[in-house]
Amino acid sequence: NAGVTQTPKFQVLKTGQSMTLQCAQDMNHNSMYWYRQDPGMGLRLIYYSASEGTTDKGEVPNGYNVSRLNKREFSLRLESAAPSQTSVYFCASSERRIDRELVYGYTFGSGTRLTVV
Amino acid sequence: AQKVTQAQTEISVVEKEDVTLDCVYETRDTTYYLFWYKQPPSGELVFLIRRNSFDEQNEISGRYSWNFQKSTSSFNFTITASQVVDSAVYFCALNYGGSQGNLIFGKGTKLSVKP
Repeated sequence: NAGVTQTPKFQVLKTGQSMTLQCAQDMNHNSMYWYRQDPGMGLRLIYYSASEGTTDKGEVPNGYNVSRLNKREFSLRLESAAPSQTSVYFCASSERRIDRELVYGYTFGSGTRLTVV
Repeated sequence: AQKVTQAQTEISVVEKEDVTLDCVYETRDTTYYLFWYKQPPSGELVFLIRRNSFDEQNEISGRYSWNFQKSTSSFNFTITASQVVDSAVYFCALNYGGSQGNLIFGKGTKLSVKP
């Protein structure tokens, strides 16, 4: 089925370890996003990529890096994990026309539950 | 400032009751989009509806209905004859032209429907 695929679904890290969360979409969308969800906080944007080759910081970028590897893939890297990064991470994609009209809504992956101990 | 407020943190109802989830948004843009998502206990985000700022027509889909009022900057969601399967966290979200495409989420309303 078409959609957004995130891996892994669950991960436990020790403080200071690094890891990369993978995200791939097969809908040919230009824009991709990484959000984190914490209890009572809704979803907050970490980084986004409006198109292949571009990335920008969102609301909570500290401690993260991203790579837009190609149009399909957008990865999120934690270089030195901290307990404050314990969260559920969602990747999403969307498509917007040049005149900024939203063509397609947002498709979300199933999430990655990360625990940093 | 662009913002989405869901003032109701948690709501508990008994099955078959009607329930309305409130959403108030702030944006200076004249072109924007509003969304509702459902997050059941399994954790995935389920798309419910998208509405653009030029379409104030209310929408009904089965037991779900949405009331969009630009005059009060509200986009409220009503579930009629609630069911246990409606138990979830519901998020209202805003996308506006200046956001480079990202969604601004409210903090969510947790709905518990008891049998």
